[in-house]
Amino acid sequence: QQQVKQSPQSLIVQKGGISIINCAYENTAFDYFPWYQQFPGKGPALLIAIRPDVSEKKEGRFTISFNKSAKQFSLHIMDSQPGDSATYFCAASLSGNTPLVFGKGTRLSVIA
Amino acid sequence: EAQVTQNPRYLITVTGKKLTVTCSQNMNHEYMSWYRQDPGLGLRQIYYSMNVEVTDKGDVPEGYKVSRKEKRNFPLILESPSPNQTSLYFCASSKNFDSGYGYTFGSGTRLTVV
Repeated sequence: QQQVKQSPQSLIVQKGGISIINCAYENTAFDYFPWYQQFPGKGPALLIAIRPDVSEKKEGRFTISFNKSAKQFSLHIMDSQPGDSATYFCAASLSGNTPLVFGKGTRLSVIA
Repeated sequence: EAQVTQNPRYLITVTGKKLTVTCSQNMNHEYMSWYRQDPGLGLRQIYYSMNVEVTDKGDVPEGYKVSRKEKRNFPLILESPSPNQTSLYFCASSKNFDSGYGYTFGSGTRLTVV
């Protein structure tokens, strides 16, 4: 049973455009929703995270939007750059209670 | 530099030959975990450890063993590797089991079993 469903599987965006990756979760008890970024040949690294007490969190060009009633959250990358080309994983957990559950990943390619 | 170190980075082995992938962290983290990454399947947890001598199964533990005798080390053991264990493996650590601290991942071990 997949607890976090991520889409799309791959995404091609023009330089300067907006990249949007979506995730849906099933466990209403989850209270921590991070996004990880993975470059080729490297391990995933924490990019940005949100807790359900807020609907949006922004860090530079990266924004998480959270919809608790729909059990969905998304990553928006504004002004996408070729250096953003990577695989992005969403994840969810119940803090201090369950390990992180990861989505299947989205391979983002930003083309000039 | 704070890091998670995995060895080896690449490994080709034959079916049935026992192997160990080592993982070490220098951050005094309590929580450590192993994942495998396969195309289309994302990151799947194999085993995790909340502290020394405490380990638990993840989502795909079959065919793997782990041990946590020291806080810094968390080796992954394949007693009798099979081709379906060909994968990219990652070790991760965190300050403690509260995932809100974020996971630090190693650079990965690409294993091929022929």
